[in-house]
Amino acid sequence: AQSVAQPEDQVNVAEGNPLTVKCTYSVSGNPYLFWYVQYPNRGLQFLLKYITGDNLVKGSYGFEAEFNKSQTSFHLKKPSALVSDSALYFCAVRDDGNYGQNFVFGPGTRLSVLP
Amino acid sequence: ETGVTQSPTHLIKTRGQQVTLRCSSQSGHNTVSWYQQALGQGPQFIFQYYREEENGRGNFPPRFSGLQFPNYSSELNVNALELDDSALYLCASSSGSYNEQFFGPGTRLTVL
Repeated sequence: AQSVAQPEDQVNVAEGNPLTVKCTYSVSGNPYLFWYVQYPNRGLQFLLKYITGDNLVKGSYGFEAEFNKSQTSFHLKKPSALVSDSALYFCAVRDDGNYGQNFVFGPGTRLSVLP
Repeated sequence: ETGVTQSPTHLIKTRGQQVTLRCSSQSGHNTVSWYQQALGQGPQFIFQYYREEENGRGNFPPRFSGLQFPNYSSELNVNALELDDSALYLCASSSGSYNEQFFGPGTRLTVL
């Protein structure tokens, strides 16, 4: 069965500093990987995805993520954090060999960017 | 292009009642998924509909059921509500099972 771990409940970073939100996954086939962000009282917003190809994926709002197959990781990064990036971030995985099973989301990481 | 919409925004029910939540998918999307998000947790997959057929189901009991209509809008029905059903219910649409999903704002269900 597929699963996702986000080892940090909370990440604090100063504005202007680089940020990393960690994600590791487990699948039986090839992974389809996604990052979503959730602002208070809102639904989830799509940031970026990895399906195949270049291991460094660029997404919305200056975010990027690096796929590492050997470490089964898909960490979210941004070179310079903004206060407005403060939100709840979810990593999700879909297993291409698991027909009928949908996205599995991690528990979320709360990012706080301090001014 | 119209985004995913859900109704109602909030709902309060009592234990044992039944509830129907509605979702309109984004234009051009034929796949709708439903998720339950309890407070402080990630979304949990309930089920997915593709072209009016159930296309996968998570670990939820049969009292959670759904429908998808020819215009790809969808309903989530929950019978015999329990206190633990209190959560944010999210609908997401996509143009295929493996593509990114676009989420609606959710329906906050409170069961008393």
